[in-house]
Amino acid sequence: AQTVTQSQPEMSVQEAETVTLSCTYDTSESDYYLFWYKQPPSRQMILVIRQEAYKQQNATENRFSVNFQKAAKSFSLKISDSQLGDAAMYFCARIQGAQKLVFGQGTRLTINP
Amino acid sequence: DVKVTQSSRYLVKRTGEKVFLECVQDMDHENMFWYRQDPGLGLRLIYFSYDVKMKEKGDIPEGYSVSREKKERFSLILESASTNQTSMYLCASSLQYEAFFGQGTRLTVV
Repeated sequence: AQTVTQSQPEMSVQEAETVTLSCTYDTSESDYYLFWYKQPPSRQMILVIRQEAYKQQNATENRFSVNFQKAAKSFSLKISDSQLGDAAMYFCARIQGAQKLVFGQGTRLTINP
Repeated sequence: DVKVTQSSRYLVKRTGEKVFLECVQDMDHENMFWYRQDPGLGLRLIYFSYDVKMKEKGDIPEGYSVSREKKERFSLILESASTNQTSMYLCASSLQYEAFFGQGTRLTVV
């Protein structure tokens, strides 16, 4: 059963602007990991950012940051100063059980020049 | 550099054929995974392995089997390929809550 949900199949943003991709998930665990992966046209999956659930501080990696709302089971990705190279499929994922990685349906992000 | 290599990038097979998709990692990782990627469905876990000769079913194991005789190699087997198994297949290995992926195999069953 799908336990990670991405409700936006497609998003688009103007170059240099900010975009937020949404993700919600189910879990009964108190400690877990959440991830955002990027898949460009080359098909190579690239880890964008990781959040540990026991850490209250939102993770940040350069232009990428997350808004982690543990009580709401929400984990959105914010991309600031969008660049053409950010165009890709973005997948939200969660570790389940013994390192089983479960993915959402994906959001296709288009960057308009 | 970390490396997960899938044996083929594109593959075309006939209905009823036995198909082997191979995945090799050079990082000495314990955990390895096979996913199937379809538009609108994301990545769905077929099987995973947490040690040599150990395997567990994922969410969609029907029609597939796996083999892990050596730590570095994890094979996905389609016993009798069918057209509904046409898809993108991704292999991954993981350690300490970080997964590394192969480049994917786009399989077409005709």
